[in-house]
Amino acid sequence: TQLLEQSPQFLSIQEGENLTVYCNSSSVFSSLQWYRQEPGEGPVLLVTVVTGGEVKKLKRLTFQFGDARKDSSLHITAAQPGDTGLYLCAGSMGSNYKLTFGKGTLLTVNP
Amino acid sequence: NAGVMQNPRHLVRRRGQEARLRCSPMKGHSHVYWYRQLPEEGLKFMVYLQKENIIDESGMPKERFSAEFPKEGPSILRIQQVVRGDSAAYFCASSPASGSKSEQFFGPGTRLTVL
Repeated sequence: TQLLEQSPQFLSIQEGENLTVYCNSSSVFSSLQWYRQEPGEGPVLLVTVVTGGEVKKLKRLTFQFGDARKDSSLHITAAQPGDTGLYLCAGSMGSNYKLTFGKGTLLTVNP
Repeated sequence: NAGVMQNPRHLVRRRGQEARLRCSPMKGHSHVYWYRQLPEEGLKFMVYLQKENIIDESGMPKERFSAEFPKEGPSILRIQQVVRGDSAAYFCASSPASGSKSEQFFGPGTRLTVL
């Protein structure tokens, strides 16, 4: 059983479109991270959210942590080919150092 | 401003050989974590180390796997007598001594292939 479910698993869109990807769980997390991973590379940290209902913006990316701290979403406005990659969410509970990862959403933005 | 460094980036071993994976954390970071990414699966926590101490190795197989983070030098993940099922990408992450341990910065990984 996957503790963190990410959806959709795959997403292919055209440049300029908006998109939202989701990270859901039945468990409560003390913090949640979003990473982007490109082929052959390690995950790159995008954001950390810790407070229920928190919204963080990073240029065209908007991250939201659910009120109950069980889910999160990532919204990208006007996607660009450079946004292509595997988007991973990871949460920590209690111990705070043991990250539990979802399997990711593979995003392809076509020019 | 070097990030987390791992070497080698790719490692090929035959069954029964030993694999040694190295990780140098970001400057100023004293906490190191190892994760394994198997094909079609998410990253899975293996072990958490501080200098000269293993804090949590609950995600690491009990046999053939060991990790260390000596006072001087990089952290080492060692896999003895490798089997085909050990083929995976192994990532190291680090976090600073102060601040949230959940905010981890990852290296580029070592891709291990066991023939």
